[in-house]
Amino acid sequence: GEDVEQSLFLSVREGDSSVINCTYTDSSSTYLYWYKQEPGAGLQLLTYIFSNMDMKQDQRLTVLLNKKDKHLSLRIADTQTGDSAIYFCAGSYQAGTALIFGKGTTLSVSS
Amino acid sequence: DTAVSQTPKYLVTQMGNDKSIKCEQNLGHDTMYWYKQDSKKFLKIMFSYNNKELIINETVPNRFSPKSPDKAHLNLHINSLELGDSAVYFCASSPPKGTEAFFGQGTRLTVV
Repeated sequence: GEDVEQSLFLSVREGDSSVINCTYTDSSSTYLYWYKQEPGAGLQLLTYIFSNMDMKQDQRLTVLLNKKDKHLSLRIADTQTGDSAIYFCAGSYQAGTALIFGKGTTLSVSS
Repeated sequence: DTAVSQTPKYLVTQMGNDKSIKCEQNLGHDTMYWYKQDSKKFLKIMFSYNNKELIINETVPNRFSPKSPDKAHLNLHINSLELGDSAVYFCASSPPKGTEAFFGQGTRLTVV
């Protein structure tokens, strides 16, 4: 089955860029997602990318997909303290199917 | 209006009890899910229901039983609760061929 791997922790200074990396094993993952979870809260979808895309940009967020290496990254420009949270990478085989989540990367932003 | 709502938000109960967590979505979605997030924050799919039909049942103990009275509701019933069942349980829904799953705020279950 699908396996999604992420590094567990990332610490950055306010104003720097953050890059959170994810690798997945199943090349048939068609949709790849980034979710954000703040302490004690639910999951918020930040962005997603289709497997036929290489890049997607949405304001401060840039998603890069290297399908050959099965590597997905999320770059947050000008990281703010409010960006401190757990970021989950997730994949699904097709729209409307269950998500397979990575273990989450805890982003800590210091001022 | 909350899109996906779960009740209760917190649940503390003793080992051996039976409890239910309710989930309702007002988005008109066909597919609903239950995910479990353990103490290490790992998220795993438990169940998926599409138009009241179970389509996924990962390796979850049969003490857990999802019940869907209609496509807007997917409740989770747990029998004979164990300490290891302590976790946060998330309900979610998605439209057919939709790209986004909408999550509830979670139910923190603590078994003592």
